[in-house]
Amino acid sequence: EAAVTQSPRNKVAVTGGKVTLSCNQTNNHNNMYWYRQDTGHGLRLIHYSYGAGSTEKGDIPDGYKASRPSQENFSLILELATPSQTSVYFCASGGTGGAGNTLYFGEGSRLIVV
Amino acid sequence: AQSVTQPDARVTVSEGASLQLRCKYSYSATPYLFWYVQYPRQGLQLLLKYYSGDPVVQGVNGFEAEFSKSNSSFHLRKASVHWSDSAVYFCAVSGNNNNAPRFGAGTKLTVKP
Repeated sequence: EAAVTQSPRNKVAVTGGKVTLSCNQTNNHNNMYWYRQDTGHGLRLIHYSYGAGSTEKGDIPDGYKASRPSQENFSLILELATPSQTSVYFCASGGTGGAGNTLYFGEGSRLIVV
Repeated sequence: AQSVTQPDARVTVSEGASLQLRCKYSYSATPYLFWYVQYPRQGLQLLLKYYSGDPVVQGVNGFEAEFSKSNSSFHLRKASVHWSDSAVYFCAVSGNNNNAPRFGAGTKLTVKP
């Protein structure tokens, strides 16, 4: 069954540490996205990708890097984690363009930075 | 870039009552519009989507939404809600140039027995 899988599902990190959130999709979609979800803000776009080797900045990219080494995998990297990055992070995959761009979400990665 | 406003952070209705969740979008070209639902501790799932044609689009579980170009709106409706509809509902907009979807802040729906 096609799916989007995120790991880890839960993580506690220390301030200044490096955190990598991983995402794998079996939908064979070109597009992949990272959002964070915070109360009052909904889902905010961090980075996205149109295919292997490509990454694009979203609306709130500061403090985050992204990597898309293959069609299936898309990682979000926090080089120097800060408490303000405590959040729930969602990865999604989607087809190319417009109404075909229905997103399929993972179950989220809950990150706490202490 | 496009944006979405969901003016109601929380909505509470009684089981069996009708429901409307509001969504206003901002986008300079023809929008693609979506409603997603999020159950506790889960990712989002698509309820319905709209691009063209009949402005009223049907979705899963009896939900429908109506597109209004003049009002820049895409409100979600259901004639009779069930307790299992309690969840967070997100409206999203994207365009036909492969731009990334943007989401509203969400509306938390509570259905009282």
